[in-house]
Amino acid sequence: QQQVKQSPQSLIVQKGGISIINCAYENTAFDYFPWYQQFPGKGPALLIAIRPDVSEKKEGRFTISFNKSAKQFSLHIMDSQPGDSATYFCAARNGNQFYFGTGTSLTVIP
Amino acid sequence: GAVVSQHPSRVICKSGTSVKIECRSLDFQATTMFWYRQFPKQSLMLMATSNEGSKATYEQGVEKDKFLINHASLTLSTLTVTSAHPEDSSFYICSAILHGAGIYNEQFFGPGTRLTVL
Repeated sequence: QQQVKQSPQSLIVQKGGISIINCAYENTAFDYFPWYQQFPGKGPALLIAIRPDVSEKKEGRFTISFNKSAKQFSLHIMDSQPGDSATYFCAARNGNQFYFGTGTSLTVIP
Repeated sequence: GAVVSQHPSRVICKSGTSVKIECRSLDFQATTMFWYRQFPKQSLMLMATSNEGSKATYEQGVEKDKFLINHASLTLSTLTVTSAHPEDSSFYICSAILHGAGIYNEQFFGPGTRLTVL
């Protein structure tokens, strides 16, 4: 059973555009929601994270929007760049256990 | 800070041999480390949780005798793939949990190890 559902599976965006990746969950015990960026052949790297008591968090071009009542959160990448082309995973944490989404392959076209 | 290393980065071995992968937290102590397996274009699959000084906790369907995990110190966990076969070929990634003031128990990933079994 997939604890965190992620969409879309793949995304193609023009340079300068906005990339939006969505995730949803059911378990209200989740208390921390990170996003990871993974380049081919590399391990995931923490990109940005949010706690459920905050509705939005912004770090540079990356923003997480969090809707606690809807149990949804999303990653917005503003002014997308070719260097942002990677796979993005959302995750949710309960205790020391992390549950990952299925990943979104983002391609930013120059 | 919060750097996790893995060694080797890639390994090719013959079927039937054993392969050991090391995961180290370089600038922090980690009581908990995770081992993941990742197939091409797929998400991370948790294999086991490694706790320092105690036996690892394996996920359902992961063979304990096949994938031996040892977390002998607060900075080192090892994964040994015993009697490796071609179906064990995969990308193995470890992560370590960083605890501390101002840090919300975040996990930091190693760079991964590409295992190819011939």
